[in-house]
Amino acid sequence: EPEVTQTPSHQVTQMGQEVILRCVPISNHLYFYWYRQILGQKVEFLVSFYNNEISEKSEIFDDQFSVERPDGSNFTLKIRSTKLEDSAMYFCASRWTQNHEQYFGPGTRLTVT
Amino acid sequence: KNQVEQSPQSLIILEGKNCTLQCNYTVSPFSNLRWYKQDTGRGPVSLTIMTFSENTKSNGRYTATLDADTKQSSLHITASQLSDSASYICVVRNFGNEKLTFGTGTRLTIIP
Repeated sequence: EPEVTQTPSHQVTQMGQEVILRCVPISNHLYFYWYRQILGQKVEFLVSFYNNEISEKSEIFDDQFSVERPDGSNFTLKIRSTKLEDSAMYFCASRWTQNHEQYFGPGTRLTVT
Repeated sequence: KNQVEQSPQSLIILEGKNCTLQCNYTVSPFSNLRWYKQDTGRGPVSLTIMTFSENTKSNGRYTATLDADTKQSSLHITASQLSDSASYICVVRNFGNEKLTFGTGTRLTIIP
C-alpha cells in the first residue's frame, strides 16, 4: 500500500541554523500539507500546497518557513533560522483531491539546541 | 475561535472492555469531522470521516457518532485489544478552506 515517507526521522540542529525536512507524498496525490506537534500538545496546521503554490497557511507559518516541491516527488519544509521553540514533530500529509482523505507521514522529530 | 475539546484526557481499560471517547467542537462553518488514531511517535491514521448529514459511521470495532446540532461526536471502541493503545484525536474541517482543527486527543491505554 502506498504511503507518505519523511526523512530524516530525527534531526538535531543548533539554534540559528537552517533545516530542510523532506517528504515524499503518495505518487498520484495533488494536495500537500505540513503540520507540527510540539511535545505533549495538539497537532497544528502549518501550510497547504497545491498546483505549485501555497493555498493556505496558518499564523505559525511566518517568514522563516518556506515550502517547495523541487521535483515531481519531493515536498520540502525549510526553516531558515531555527529557534528553540521550533522543536517539535513535523508531519507531512498528502491527498489526491479535496474530497479524499489525507494520509500522514511518520513525522520528523526536530530538536533545536 | 475554532476549537475542538476532547474528554477524557486519558483512559485506562481492561482488554476486551468497551469504551467511548467524547469530542465537542465550535468549528464553524462545519465541513466534516474525523477521528484519527495516533501511535506514539507516528503520524495520525484516519479511522472515520463524517459529514454534516451522517449520524453514525463504523470501521470494524470503531463506531463514530455525530450530532451536528449539539456539535458533539463520540468514538466507541468495542472489545478493546492491546493494539488499541494510542491517542485518539478528533479533527474538524472548516467548510470552504483547508484548515483542520485538531483536538488534544484522548490517550487510551489497554491493559491485559
